[in-house]
Amino acid sequence: NAGVTQTPKFQVLKTGQSMTLQCAQDMNHNSMYWYRQDPGMGLRLIYYSASEGTTDKGEVPNGYNVSRLNKREFSLRLESAAPSQTSVYFCASRGRGNTEAFFGQGTRLTVV
Amino acid sequence: GQQVMQIPQYQHVQEGEDFTTYCNSSTTLSNIQWYKQRPGGHPVFLIQLVKSGEVKKQKRLTFQFGEAKKNSSLHITATQTTDVGTYFCARSKGGSEKLVFGKGTKLTVNP
Repeated sequence: NAGVTQTPKFQVLKTGQSMTLQCAQDMNHNSMYWYRQDPGMGLRLIYYSASEGTTDKGEVPNGYNVSRLNKREFSLRLESAAPSQTSVYFCASRGRGNTEAFFGQGTRLTVV
Repeated sequence: GQQVMQIPQYQHVQEGEDFTTYCNSSTTLSNIQWYKQRPGGHPVFLIQLVKSGEVKKQKRLTFQFGEAKKNSSLHITATQTTDVGTYFCARSKGGSEKLVFGKGTKLTVNP
């Protein structure tokens, strides 16, 4: 039982490049989330998906797109990376009814 | 907005001292969750509070939910070096799956 798996763990991009962060969970959870974590800023919600086929904006959605490919997978795409998107990205999932969230190990992204 | 305010942002204590972090909201919370993130790690769920005035304990950790359900606290008695990390509170709005975190309190413990 792997829980929440994120790939890659580390990535360096040049300004303007695109990439997709992958996230998959094997707990049959309905809700999935993408957060970014910057020093002193806590965990800020980028996008979330309450169920397969639905996505909603969080606190800081600009510059990102998401896809809830199926119940297991929720990907985050940066179409044109900017240095301001240098951060640690966490994916999380949880079951129905405000239960606890389970987090992936994180992706450390640097945009130069 | 739906943000929860956490204070303090940083806390540095000597081992054996107590520690408290507070989480405040301008609106009534349907529930509050607490998470711990060790340095270099990912957030891990500690507890969820739902009822007004609720108090829950986990060994040296005591969690409280205010009577008005607008604030919550996490108190650690006699801190140990294993308590080092950042403690976050998180809220979800009733009827919504949106989960929003506070900025966290980073705890360091001097041995």
